[in-house]
This record gives sequence, C-alpha cells and structure tokens, in this order.
Amino acid sequence: NAGVTQTPKFQVLKTGQSMTLQCAQDMNHNSMYWYRQDPGMGLRLIYYSASEGTTDKGEVPNGYNVSRLNKREFSLRLESAAPSQTSVYFCASMERYGNQPQHFGDGTRLSIL
Amino acid sequence: AQSVSQHNHHVILSEAASLELGCNYSYGGTVNLFWYVQYPGQHLQLLLKYFSGDPLVKGIKGFEAEFIKSKFSFNLRKPSVQWSDTAEYFCAVEGSSNTGKLIFGQGTTLQVKP
Repeated sequence: NAGVTQTPKFQVLKTGQSMTLQCAQDMNHNSMYWYRQDPGMGLRLIYYSASEGTTDKGEVPNGYNVSRLNKREFSLRLESAAPSQTSVYFCASMERYGNQPQHFGDGTRLSIL
Repeated sequence: AQSVSQHNHHVILSEAASLELGCNYSYGGTVNLFWYVQYPGQHLQLLLKYFSGDPLVKGIKGFEAEFIKSKFSFNLRKPSVQWSDTAEYFCAVEGSSNTGKLIFGQGTTLQVKP
C-alpha cells in the first residue's frame, strides 16, 4: 500500500520556469492538500480539495494553481517560478468524515535559482 | 485568525530524560488536535490525535499529550526519551469547518544525545 505518492522528489528550476508537482493517493480519500514547509515556519497550507471537483485556497495560495484531476490525483502548478517558492512541498490526503488524520507524502524538494 | 504556537524551537536532551513540548492555539470553537513527527529526511507521521473524550491521549512510541481546554494547550510528553526520538515535532489544529484544514505550529527540533 503506497499511501500518498509525490513526484518528483527533487527539482531545480530557473526563475520564470513553470512546473507541475504530482500527487496521487490510493486510500480512496475524499480530501487532498498541498503544503509548503519552510524552516522555522512549520507547514503552511497552499490549496486544498475537500472533495473531488472542488478546490479552495489555503493560507499561501499566491503563485500557485491546483487541479483535482480525479479522486486519486491532485496536482500543484507553479506557472512562473520565483526564488521565494524554494521550499519542500508536501501533499496529504484524508478521509473527510469520521475524524480521521491526514496522511502525508514524502515531499518534493524544489529549488528555484 | 487561528494560530498555533510551539514555545520550544530547539530542545536538546540526554537519553532517559523526560520530555515536554508546549503547544498553544488560538481558536474559539471546537478543535481537533494533532502531534506529528518528522524524522530526518522523512515525511510527517501522526504521533497522536485528540478529537473528543478523555483529554489525556496516548500515541505511538510512548508519547502522550494532554488537552487543557481552559489553557488552549495540547502539550506533548514522554517520560524517557531515546536517541531514536531525534526528530522535528509539529503541533497542528483543525477547526470545526470539517474541511480538514490544519494550522501547524512552527515545529520543535528535538535532539537526543546518546
């Protein structure tokens, strides 16, 4: 059981380039989330999808877009990467009902030069 | 706005010492509370969670936490730490919106010396 799978694990981009981070979960969860993790700031929510077909902004959505492709997949896109978006990105999923915790992927370490 | 504050940013302990990590949150309604652990180079894993009921919750690896509603606190404890507990620990709060949105604290890095 793979859980939450993120690709790629590492990526280096130049300022202005675009990129899509992929996330897939095999737990049949309704809800999916994208976070970024920066030193001393914990994890901050970028976007989330409470259920298939819906997406909403989190705490730090500027510069990002998301797509909930189907129940399994939730992608995060950087249209024009900026150095301030250098971070570790985590995807998570959760069964929305029944007081369940979130399950996290292994993360994508993204550097923007 | 909701916020979560972890008082200790970096804690260094010797093996067998007791651990208590502080977590306070600001939110006026019903909350769900979590502690996650991130071992070096790994993803976040759930240590324990509180949704309702007994305010003293037990998690994996001998960790426990106590929810004190009057103090808006959810402190993490372990009686005797091991070198393998070296990791970063995050407190997180979910409000009552039922969207699963988590607000994380800044994290506490725990270093256990053998």
